[in-house]
Amino acid sequence: DQQVKQNSPSLSVQEGRISILNCDYTNSMFDYFLWYKKYPAEGPTFLISISSIKDKNEDGRFTVFLNKSAKHLSLHIVPSQPGDSAVYFCAASVDNAGNMLTFGGGTRLMVKP
Amino acid sequence: DAGVIQSPRHEVTEMGQEVTLRCKPISGHDYLFWYRQTMMRGLELLIYFNNNVPIDDSGMPEDRFSAKMPNASFSTLKIQPSEPRDSAVYFCASSLALFSGQEQFFGPGTRLTVL
Repeated sequence: DQQVKQNSPSLSVQEGRISILNCDYTNSMFDYFLWYKKYPAEGPTFLISISSIKDKNEDGRFTVFLNKSAKHLSLHIVPSQPGDSAVYFCAASVDNAGNMLTFGGGTRLMVKP
Repeated sequence: DAGVIQSPRHEVTEMGQEVTLRCKPISGHDYLFWYRQTMMRGLELLIYFNNNVPIDDSGMPEDRFSAKMPNASFSTLKIQPSEPRDSAVYFCASSLALFSGQEQFFGPGTRLTVL
């Protein structure tokens, strides 16, 4: 049973528009959420994170929103750029769980020029 | 620091052969993780170590898989015997443990193909 789900395997967006990537989770014990970006032939790299005590965290063009009641988080990229084309993974962790992360299946974002 | 180093980057082997994947974590990191990425299942955690001790190996698919961390700077993931369904990209990651959800740093991965 997947505890972290990314229901959209792919997303295509025009350059300059907003990209919204979604992630749902089932474990109410998750208290920290991260987004990773992965380019082909490279390992995932950390992008942005949010603690469960917040509902929004912003870093430049990237903003993560957390809705705890809905067990849902989203990553917004504004404006989208062709270099943002990658696979995005959502991940979650439980406090005192040895820093173990549970990843979603990933969403492939394609930003068209 | 060079980051997490994995070798080999690509491995092609025949079914039944032993495969050993290697990882050098970032110096000073307390945790080391082995993941497998497939199209069907995304990124799966196989096993992780804290201070060289295996903590959770519940993600290891079968007894054919084993992992060791003999010291703080080296870990191996071994598959013996290998099967075609083991074909995937295997990632090693390491992290500090200052707080819950501390980011993990990933290596470039090893693409394994079992014929």
